[in-house]
Parts: sequence; structure tokens; C-alpha cells
Amino acid sequence: QKEVEQNSGPLSVPEGAIASLNCTYSDRGSQSFFWYRQYSGKSPELIMFIYSNGDKEDGRFTAQLNKASQYVSLLIRDSQPSDSATYLCAVRSGGYNKLIFGAGTRLAVHP
Amino acid sequence: GAVVSQHPSWVICKSGTSVKIECRSLDFQATTMFWYRQFPKQSLMLMATSNEGSKATYEQGVEKDKFLINHASLTLSTLTVTSAHPEDSSFYICSARPQDTDTQYFGPGTRLTVL
Repeated sequence: QKEVEQNSGPLSVPEGAIASLNCTYSDRGSQSFFWYRQYSGKSPELIMFIYSNGDKEDGRFTAQLNKASQYVSLLIRDSQPSDSATYLCAVRSGGYNKLIFGAGTRLAVHP
Repeated sequence: GAVVSQHPSWVICKSGTSVKIECRSLDFQATTMFWYRQFPKQSLMLMATSNEGSKATYEQGVEKDKFLINHASLTLSTLTVTSAHPEDSSFYICSARPQDTDTQYFGPGTRLTVL
């Protein structure tokens, strides 16, 4: 079974700090990596995706991928209370037609 | 771009009735759509993968005769919960994947309550 692991949290950070969310995956053949944000009672929304090793930045968000360590992370700079949500890591494994989701990390940004 | 809609957004029905949920990709064509279920404070659970023009692929433990999926066009997939029971009450979410990408875009979800 292909797995994606995330710390369930909650991860509590003060407003303005950097939030670091981590995700590990079991399948070395994984090709595509995604971060989604899900507010309570709502459906997930895409934050960003990354395919290649290294960093990818989009506004306050940076995704980091290390395929050798089978590790993907999401950094949120200048965290705001509105960033408080559950962050889902998703991985597309080689040969699979679907994404494997982690259980999510709950982030709480306090003023 | 990449907008996915679902209808209805919520539905309440009596036990034993059937409920149909529609998922539409509004500004792109989706050869593949996915149906998820999420219980309160739990993670997303993939129910089935729906491919346009072919039978859906169900995840282990999901009853295909209870959760009927039809993907008749490149922009529409439907999920019918047949003979619904209170334990089927959940948040049902679809996602759609544009052609030639891996990215899934989620609909807003349908909250089903079975009395």
C-alpha cells in the first residue's frame, strides 16, 4: 500500500512566523506532489504542486521536494490567522491514476 | 480557471431513498473525475475513480451497487447513493482532473444527511 504520512498536529505558530508542514511518502516512483488546504466544513483547495527536486515559490508559500529522502514540505511565510486550516499532502505514485492523500496537518495561527 | 461545481450543496433525505449528486467541470474537460467521502474530523477517503465513457473503478470496501457512478460526458459525473441509510450521512466531494495533467480540482462538496 502506497502511503503518505503527515503529522496530524495541531501545529501552532504565532502570527507573522513561518509555518513548516512536512510530509513523507513511501513510493520512490512517485512523480507529482501537491499541497491542498482545507478549511473546516469546506472542500480542499489547491495551493501548489511540485514535480522536481528543490524549491518552488508562490507568494508566501514555498514547496520543497527531496526525492532522495522521499520528503516534501510546505513553508508558509508571514503566517496569518486566515491560514489556520488543515493542510493535505497528496502524491501521485508511478502507474497510479489517482492521488494518495495524507491525513492532513492542522495548522493554528494565533494572533 | 479550473472550476468544479457540485449540486446539490446539501441534501436531507429519508432512509431508503436514493440521492443523486452531480459534479461538473465548468471550464475544462475532465476525462477523469474522482469521488471522495469525508466523515467529521476524518481524512478524505477515495471512493471511486470515474472515467468518461467507461465503468468506474471502486476502492476496496466501497459497494459499487450502492454508490452508482456515471460519467457520461467530459464535464459531468454523477454519484447516486441508492437506498441511503443514516450511516451514509457524510460530506461527499468530487474532484476533476484536466486532460494531460495530474492536478485534481475539487468541487465544493455535498453534505448528505439521511434521517
